[in-house]
Amino acid sequence: AQTVTQSQPEMSVQEAETVTLSCTYDTSESDYYLFWYKQPPSRQMILVIRQEAYKQQNATENRFSVNFQKAAKSFSLKISDSQLGDAAMYFCAYRRYFGNEKLTFGTGTRLTIIP
Amino acid sequence: GAVVSQHPSWVICKSGTSVKIECRSLDFQATTMFWYRQFPKQSLMLMATSNEGSKATYEQGVEKDKFLINHASLTLSTLTVTSAHPEDSSFYICSARRDSSNTGELFFGEGSRLTVL
Repeated sequence: AQTVTQSQPEMSVQEAETVTLSCTYDTSESDYYLFWYKQPPSRQMILVIRQEAYKQQNATENRFSVNFQKAAKSFSLKISDSQLGDAAMYFCAYRRYFGNEKLTFGTGTRLTIIP
Repeated sequence: GAVVSQHPSWVICKSGTSVKIECRSLDFQATTMFWYRQFPKQSLMLMATSNEGSKATYEQGVEKDKFLINHASLTLSTLTVTSAHPEDSSFYICSARRDSSNTGELFFGEGSRLTVL
């Protein structure tokens, strides 16, 4: 079974600074998706960034980028120029490429932005 | 973007009663939807996979008779918590995969907070 581990229950960063959230996963599959979702106080899950395992290039979405290390099964999220609106729970998630499309989530990292 | 709507967003009920939560994909068709449960300050735990026109697939440990799932159309899945008890109080979230998409992304509803007195 696939597992997703987030070893940082809480992180904080000064506004405008950069922060990196860690995620590791375990799978025997070679093709899969990885995601970072954000859950603000409203509880609505919002997709931050997506990575297909077959792509070597790291995904980037504006201030958000990932460091995808397939061999190490690591998928960290870097947030640059942190803003107050980035404060939220961040969940790393895994999904098989074929077959069952369910998402397996990590335990989450609560990110606090210090003004 | 794709929109998934859940209703109600919050509900309070008495112990022993049943509560139905709806999950609708507003602007896309979704053959498959997922129901998650989230306890305070915890992650999302998958309860079941809902498939249009067929029986739902439940995760290990989830009581099928207690959490009834119906996926009668390509845009609607419902979760009914039967004979609710205080331990069923939780935040329930649905998600849906857009049939026409190959990005792997799931779209989430706003969630429904259930409180059983």
